[in-house]
Amino acid sequence: DSGVTQTPKHLITATGQRVTLRCSPRSGDLSVYWYQQSLDQGLQFLIQYYNGEERAKGNILERFSAQQFPDLHSELNLSSLELGDSALYFCASSVVPGQGNTIYFGEGSWLTVV
Amino acid sequence: GQNIDQPTEMTATEGAIVQINCTYQTSGFNGLFWYQQHAGEAPTFLSYNVLDGLEEKGRFSSFLSRSKGYSYLLLKELQMKDSASYLCAVRGGSNYQLIWGAGTKLIIKP
Repeated sequence: DSGVTQTPKHLITATGQRVTLRCSPRSGDLSVYWYQQSLDQGLQFLIQYYNGEERAKGNILERFSAQQFPDLHSELNLSSLELGDSALYFCASSVVPGQGNTIYFGEGSWLTVV
Repeated sequence: GQNIDQPTEMTATEGAIVQINCTYQTSGFNGLFWYQQHAGEAPTFLSYNVLDGLEEKGRFSSFLSRSKGYSYLLLKELQMKDSASYLCAVRGGSNYQLIWGAGTKLIIKP
């Protein structure tokens, strides 16, 4: 158990809909990362937050947005869903976003768009 | 540009040794990580190298050469449970971003 908690674990929704994925980082971690992993693909970095502020942005679509709240949990909002958005979405956290700080992953949220 | 290269797939035999290579080109370097990921599961941390040399941790060792932009993960006494993808990630750039390789799928045969 990495200490990073993600909900829901599985989600099935229809095209055009909107979903919210939730992440609680490990206790004491200030930085949260979101990744997308499609079937048999590598990790695609979406976005990173540090202590409530956006720190870095990767290949995140405009239909997607995220935020980190004062209690440090984070949410990833996916809207106008398309079939191609079906993937495993990981949240990860680290103490601070630098140097040797290891990032720890949650178990992921499986999103299926039908 | 920033790039990390790993072999897509490797096959090895149970009980043997396998070396998974990773080469990188990044603007700046602040450490290299190896993660293991079983299919459908979260990546789990294996090792971290920031200085040149070999880091040993049980059956797994990781080597780094910063001048060559090269690392390898060495797995000894392979077990069937080692069948997984192995991800190389480099922390680089001015904002310490992690750049991920596509992963190497390791298949262990009896």
